[in-house]
Amino acid sequence: AQSVTQPDIHITVSEGASLELRCNYSYGATPYLFWYVQSPGQGLQLLLKYFSGDTLVQGIKGFEAEFKRSQSSFNLRKPSVHWSDAAEYFCAVGARGGSYIPTFGRGTSLIVHP
Amino acid sequence: GAVVSQHPSRVICKSGTSVKIECRSLDFQATTMFWYRQFPKQSLMLMATSNEGSKATYEQGVEKDKFLINHASLTLSTLTVTSAHPEDSSFYICSARGGEQLNSPLHFGNGTRLTVT
Repeated sequence: AQSVTQPDIHITVSEGASLELRCNYSYGATPYLFWYVQSPGQGLQLLLKYFSGDTLVQGIKGFEAEFKRSQSSFNLRKPSVHWSDAAEYFCAVGARGGSYIPTFGRGTSLIVHP
Repeated sequence: GAVVSQHPSRVICKSGTSVKIECRSLDFQATTMFWYRQFPKQSLMLMATSNEGSKATYEQGVEKDKFLINHASLTLSTLTVTSAHPEDSSFYICSARGGEQLNSPLHFGNGTRLTVT
């Protein structure tokens, strides 16, 4: 079975600073990988996904993520954070084949200081 | 893009009553929808997979008689919390695949905050 670890519960950055949110996964083969963002009291919005091909994936809102097979990681990055980026971020992994249902990490709360 | 509408966004009910939550795919057909439960500051816990025209598949530990799921059409799935108790208070989120392929990303509703008094 697949699993996801987001080691950071909270991340605090200053507006304009760069951001990296960590995600490690456990799966026997190359998985499908996703990052979602959740604003308070809202559902989840897909930021980006990796299925195959280029390991550097571009998403919406200026986010990108890099799949590193050797490290079993799929870290999310943004070069310059805006105050509106404050939210909860979830990494998710989906198994290839079968019915495919993603497993979510516990989330990382991003706090942005002005 | 694919839009999933969830209603109501908030509901307060008394202990012992039942509450129905609707999840609609607005601009696409969803043969499969998923119901999640989220506790404060925690991740999403998959409760069940809702299949159009057939019985839902419940995850281990989820009481199917308490959380009734009906997926009567390709655009609507409902979750009914029966005989609600305060411990059922939570944030419930539905989602649906944005395409026919199994690896299509999930699109989420905005969630329903259930408070049982």
